[in-house]
Amino acid sequence: QQPVQSPQAVILREGEDAVINCSSSKALYSVHWYRQKHGEAPVFLMILLKGGEQKGHEKISASFNEKKQQSSLYLTASQLSYSGTYFCGTEPSYDKVIFGPGTSLSVIP
Amino acid sequence: NAGVTQTPKFQVLKTGQSMTLQCAQDMNHEYMSWYRQDPGMGLRLIHYSVGAGITDQGEVPNGYNVSRSTTEDFPLRLLSAAPSQTSVYFCASSYGTGDEQYFGPGTRLTVT
Repeated sequence: QQPVQSPQAVILREGEDAVINCSSSKALYSVHWYRQKHGEAPVFLMILLKGGEQKGHEKISASFNEKKQQSSLYLTASQLSYSGTYFCGTEPSYDKVIFGPGTSLSVIP
Repeated sequence: NAGVTQTPKFQVLKTGQSMTLQCAQDMNHEYMSWYRQDPGMGLRLIHYSVGAGITDQGEVPNGYNVSRSTTEDFPLRLLSAAPSQTSVYFCASSYGTGDEQYFGPGTRLTVT
């Protein structure tokens, strides 16, 4: 029941855009997005809830297609600080979050 | 607020030994979870709790026990350590469903 993420890895130059996708085979209550830098704990970016509500940082953009159980995270005008591993987490029920394998993002000058 | 705290930060065990990883939060969160992180595998859910006295199994519960006697604490017990349990363990908490999870700093465990 682990969600699928794509791509597995991406390399960007500063200023370029990227999209990270997440999909699940189960009906979802919500989708979470977190970023983790090497050696650190994951940090919250955004939650997208069934019904359209979103919670998170204003500079982060994401979408949630409830019918297809798919979510996408949009990173625009990338900065060096965007580098890290991005995880999507899905809530198939009202009690736990299951994370995907992650997408490694590297931003180079 | 200290947030989510985990102890120890590092631990080396021998095969067959038992130990408890501690997790505590001071945010009055109802939901708490334990994850393990292995290279290329992401964060895999071990056990979780939706409140004091209530726990349930996640994706990879074998070899681990949990209990939740208070809202603040959620310890993870390794019954008989195996090399396959070498990993980084993260504890996380949240107010409830659909809310941000706050992660602890992690415990790096090596089993030899």
